[in-house]
Amino acid sequence: QVQLVQSGPEVKKPGASVKVSCKTSGYTFPNYSITWVRQAPGQGLEWMAWINVYNGNTNYTQNFQGRVTMTTDTSTTTAYLELRNLRSDDTAVYYCARIRYYDSSFDYWGQGTRVTVSS
Amino acid sequence: DIQMTQSPSTLSASVGDRVTVTCRASQPISTWLAWYQQKPGKAPKLLIYTASSLHSGVPSRFSGSGSGTEFTLTISGLQPDDFATYYCQHYKSLPWTFGQGTKVEIK
Repeated sequence: QVQLVQSGPEVKKPGASVKVSCKTSGYTFPNYSITWVRQAPGQGLEWMAWINVYNGNTNYTQNFQGRVTMTTDTSTTTAYLELRNLRSDDTAVYYCARIRYYDSSFDYWGQGTRVTVSS
Repeated sequence: DIQMTQSPSTLSASVGDRVTVTCRASQPISTWLAWYQQKPGKAPKLLIYTASSLHSGVPSRFSGSGSGTEFTLTISGLQPDDFATYYCQHYKSLPWTFGQGTKVEIK
């Protein structure tokens, strides 16, 4: 079955960087794009970015341009999200999700990674 | 950017009720809309894609309708497992955006 398993919680200081991993299984990794969504405490869902695993093309929402990098490792079927220059308002749960092949809805999600930014 | 607005923000209902959540887009999005269910401390789950198609494994009491700018999610016969927060999301064009969520509470 399709599974996305994310790395564990992180605590970082302002200005630091964090790299979250998303290990996938149960499907052909290059055939599906991966997206990242975050959720601040008590808040709604915020779409961040997506990566075409097949060709490496990426797109980031304006809020994260210049601070976010997404990569993939096809040998381990793992996707990564790196967020730099962390601020306190980056404290959130970060989710990876697979993008459906025939449209762009998010059909399978990771369990989430809590990132806390605090001095 | 396309803005998505859900109503109501909170909905109180009883088991067995028929429940409707509305989502409005700030500009036409055809049927490029999905609905997700999220329970506290858990990842969202896809319920509906392309406005009215039921995702695999989702109970048939969930249905979606609409096109253009107005969409609805209906739960026909609310079950105890359905008390959760529901989000709509468009994917007509980048950036993709979510509605603010509708919490379905026990009455």
